[in-house]
Amino acid sequence: NAGVTQTPKFQVLKTGQSMTLQCAQDMNHEYMSWYRQDPGMGLRLIHYSVGAGITDQGEVPNGYNVSRSTTEDFPLRLLSAAPSQTSVYFCASSYRKGAEAFFGQGTRLTVV
Amino acid sequence: EDQVTQSPEALRLQEGESSSLNCSYTVSGLRGLFWYRQDPGKGPEFLFTLYSAGEEKEKERLKATLTKKESFLHITAPKPEDSATYLCAVDQFYFGTGTSLTVIP
Repeated sequence: NAGVTQTPKFQVLKTGQSMTLQCAQDMNHEYMSWYRQDPGMGLRLIHYSVGAGITDQGEVPNGYNVSRSTTEDFPLRLLSAAPSQTSVYFCASSYRKGAEAFFGQGTRLTVV
Repeated sequence: EDQVTQSPEALRLQEGESSSLNCSYTVSGLRGLFWYRQDPGKGPEFLFTLYSAGEEKEKERLKATLTKKESFLHITAPKPEDSATYLCAVDQFYFGTGTSLTVIP
């Protein structure tokens, strides 16, 4: 089992560009989530999903969109990148909401 | 305001020198307190879940405990390979900023 796979690992974007961060899990977990990690801020929840077709906002959702068409995939879309979105992004999955999470390796995003 | 605070921010220990990391929280209606280990450039790795005050869990040199207001991660006789950042989280929603642990041989 690969666990949680994120692509790409590194990305540089120009302000205003859009992109999608990919996340896939092979553990048949119902719950998936996206976090961003910034120095001194800890992990902050962006969006989460309790199952295919169901998504909800976390603590810092502005500027990001998500969808969940399958159990396995949970992509994160940046609509118009801003320098404030420079961060490390982690995708995670759990067998249910509130259970221990399995994290991907992260995507380091720089917006210039 | 719901909040999770970890202390100290950084800790340097000699190999074999035991210590404790603290995670205090003000979140009401706790459903689970989680501890994770994060190595540089990697995603957090799950260590423990605690659900109720008085609960304790152990894994090798690590022991996690929980009270109504805080959790402790006790490290007994640490080794250099225990060097990492340790994160706590409440309900998988609120994360602390972590304690960076360095164990010196």
